[in-house]
Amino acid sequence: DQQVKQNSPSLSVQEGRISILNCDYTNSMFDYFLWYKKYPAEGPTFLISISSIKDKNEDGRFTVFLNKSAKHLSLHIVPSQPGDSAVYFCAASVDRDDKIIFGKGTRLHILP
Amino acid sequence: DTAVSQTPKYLVTQMGNDKSIKCEQNLGHDTMYWYKQDSKKFLKIMFSYNNKELIINETVPNRFSPKSPDKAHLNLHINSLELGDSAVYFCASSDPMTGSTEAFFGQGTRLTVV
Repeated sequence: DQQVKQNSPSLSVQEGRISILNCDYTNSMFDYFLWYKKYPAEGPTFLISISSIKDKNEDGRFTVFLNKSAKHLSLHIVPSQPGDSAVYFCAASVDRDDKIIFGKGTRLHILP
Repeated sequence: DTAVSQTPKYLVTQMGNDKSIKCEQNLGHDTMYWYKQDSKKFLKIMFSYNNKELIINETVPNRFSPKSPDKAHLNLHINSLELGDSAVYFCASSDPMTGSTEAFFGQGTRLTVV
């Protein structure tokens, strides 16, 4: 039973356009959400997070939106750049210090 | 029907002890990994095994050793545990040879050294 779901295994976006990566979760107890970026042969690196008391968090080109009623969050990258091509993992935890549950990842490919 | 399972989920132990964390995947993947999560939620890769061959060995203390009895298992052994080893450890698997970039993570093992 997957608690964090990324239903799109891959996504291709033109350079300069907006990339939108989606994530759904089933556990209503989750109150902290994270996005990680992973390049081949490297471990995931933390990108951005959001607490359940917010519905939006922005950091440069990256914005995460949280819709608690729909149990859905999304990561927006604007504008998309070639270096953004990677696998993106959505993750969630019940408590900020608790273990995190990962989605399966979405591969983002930025087209020139 | 868990894809990647780790045991135990929580482990509390004293300094100096030797402990193991087990990981099993039923996905038929060729590659398994161990990650350590630090206090800032950053995941650092520790080891990677592909068909029983160690292909990535990050600069971790040699007190940590991965053991892979078969393709479906990658266990993490830790000798002479230290306070700084307290963290959450994640096992994962993937099958890069098929071109898939999906990775499946276990639920993590929270290790507390006292």
